[in-house]
Amino acid sequence: EVLLVESGGDLVQPGGSLRLSCAASGFTVSNNYMSWVRQAPGKGLEWVSVFYSGGSTYYADSVKGRFTISRDDSKNTLYLQMNSLRAEDTAVYYCARSIAAAPRMDVWGKGTTVTVSS
Amino acid sequence: DIQMTQSPSSLSASVGDRVTITCRASQSISSYLNWYQQKPGKAPKLLIYVASSLQRGVPSRFSGSGSGTDFTLTISGLQPEDFASYFCQQSYSTPYTFGQGTKLEIK
Repeated sequence: EVLLVESGGDLVQPGGSLRLSCAASGFTVSNNYMSWVRQAPGKGLEWVSVFYSGGSTYYADSVKGRFTISRDDSKNTLYLQMNSLRAEDTAVYYCARSIAAAPRMDVWGKGTTVTVSS
Repeated sequence: DIQMTQSPSSLSASVGDRVTITCRASQSISSYLNWYQQKPGKAPKLLIYVASSLQRGVPSRFSGSGSGTDFTLTISGLQPEDFASYFCQQSYSTPYTFGQGTKLEIK
């Protein structure tokens, strides 16, 4: 079964850091595009970052310079390192697999909640 | 960045109705347009990719069309389980922006 399981969400103070993990099973992370998407409470979906199978990474302007996407091929796991967190980063964070040809997110995790508050 | 504009933002309809949601891109994205359905408290689900291709397992009452800047999602014969939020997303270039969403409610 193809599955993604996120973890690492927590309550953190403004300016703090957090690392999210996304463990994959049933497929190989390094053979696919892998994305993070977030959803603030009561709001729509916001694309955050993508890790291409070839190793390139891209970010939304809202997180560029603060967030870093990475993967550990030995653990078949995707990560999102989040630094300098702000209240507006409060959201449910989803990881998703993207099919490389005509990218579309066909497998999603259930999400992990990040709350940035003092 | 490519801006995606969906309309309407909300829609009331009845079981059995045919509904259409539109999505407009701020520049041409060819056919690199995906549609997702999201129910409260759940992860999004891929419905349509490259504008008109039905994701495996998605009922045929869902269909998509369009190219360039204008796209539509049509649901023919609404079922109770279709009342949810729908989002378009362009995958032409990063950042892979989403539309603001359309909430489909029961009339």
